[in-house]
Amino acid sequence: GAVVSQHPSWVICKSGTSVKIECRSLDFQATTMFWYRQFPKQSLMLMATSNEGSKATYEQGVEKDKFLINHASLTLSTLTVTSAHPEDSSFYICSAHPGTSTHNEQFFGPGTRLTVL
Amino acid sequence: GENVEQHPSTLSVQEGDSAVIKCTYSDSASNYFPWYKQELGKRPQLIIDIRSNVGEKKDQRIAVTLNKTAKHFSLHITETQPEDSAVYFCAASNTGTASKLTFGTGTRLQVTL
Repeated sequence: GAVVSQHPSWVICKSGTSVKIECRSLDFQATTMFWYRQFPKQSLMLMATSNEGSKATYEQGVEKDKFLINHASLTLSTLTVTSAHPEDSSFYICSAHPGTSTHNEQFFGPGTRLTVL
Repeated sequence: GENVEQHPSTLSVQEGDSAVIKCTYSDSASNYFPWYKQELGKRPQLIIDIRSNVGEKKDQRIAVTLNKTAKHFSLHITETQPEDSAVYFCAASNTGTASKLTFGTGTRLQVTL
């Protein structure tokens, strides 16, 4: 149980285009989903917290107009990187939280490697 | 906000030896401390976690200790094996804030034969 999927697993795009990444919780309902970015040989940095049916909460320094997050259902959150540039190339990982007070663990997706040419 | 520091950044041990990774956190409200193992290009895998009402937790070769007063927690791996080689991350969260995780900077563990 507690499986989270991401799609696509990797994507290569041209500078200036937009890329959408999907994060799905397959066997549980995720009240909250998180989006992280990980540059090579660095740690995971939280970009935003996504709550179903409400606006995402972005971390300081993350541009909300560039990284659009939609959490339209309890099993799906999407991250759209708009007007992508080479510096946006990174490993994007989502995680999902069941939302129960007794369950602290987040379940991570397999990640999406974005390369912007 | 929370700040998590992790040491060392790299650690090389011989197979069979023990490895210890240490983390400190800044927010006294943090009450959940997971440890993750990440292999290259893969998702982080939870290997052990501890809540603030417990001082120590063990699972076979892996143990975690927590000192709330000093705000630090440590990962102990005994009888290391080559397959333990990976990057390990500590993290901290306050479950009252929807479990937002703050990660440490990571430790690259290399277990040599």
